[in-house]
Amino acid sequence: AQSVAQPEDQVNVAEGNPLTVKCTYSVSGNPYLFWYVQYPNRGLQFLLKYITGDNLVKGSYGFEAEFNKSQTSFHLKKPSALVSDSALYFCAVRGLYNFNKFYFGSGTKLNVKP
Amino acid sequence: GAVVSQHPSWVICKSGTSVKIECRSLDFQATTMFWYRQFPKQSLMLMATSNEGSKATYEQGVEKDKFLINHASLTLSTLTVTSAHPEDSSFYICSANYLTGTDSYEQYFGPGTRLTVT
Repeated sequence: AQSVAQPEDQVNVAEGNPLTVKCTYSVSGNPYLFWYVQYPNRGLQFLLKYITGDNLVKGSYGFEAEFNKSQTSFHLKKPSALVSDSALYFCAVRGLYNFNKFYFGSGTKLNVKP
Repeated sequence: GAVVSQHPSWVICKSGTSVKIECRSLDFQATTMFWYRQFPKQSLMLMATSNEGSKATYEQGVEKDKFLINHASLTLSTLTVTSAHPEDSSFYICSANYLTGTDSYEQYFGPGTRLTVT
């Protein structure tokens, strides 16, 4: 079965500092991994995805994620956090047999303090 | 980029009444849409997969007679919460699969609908 785990409910970081939001995956076969961001009372916005190729994936708003097969991780990163990055972040993996189905992690709340 | 809209953005209804939520893909066709439910400070729970022209596929534990889904066209899916109760109060989010390439999908999400049942 496909699943992702986000071990941190909350991450606090000062503005200007680098940020990391962690995600680990458990999948059969090659994983198709995604990151989404959700602002209060809003739907999810796509940030980036990994399907194949380079392990470092660049996405929207300066975010990037590193796919690490040996550690089964897909951590979200940004070199310099902004207060406006404060939001809820979800990692997701696409279904193996049902390509339409996405499995989401529990979410990590990112707080960026000025 | 692909845009998904939802209407209404928020709705208050009385217990025992039904409420319909619409999900539209504005600039692409979506043969498959999804309905999620999100409780405060929790992740998204997939309720059902909405298939254009056929019956929806419900996840285990979701009452199909209570949460009626209709996907009548390639750009519209509706979720009707029938005989609503206060415990149905939640944030409902729809999404649509957007084909970006061969065997490559991205899910685009609507802005969500806040349902409050009094």
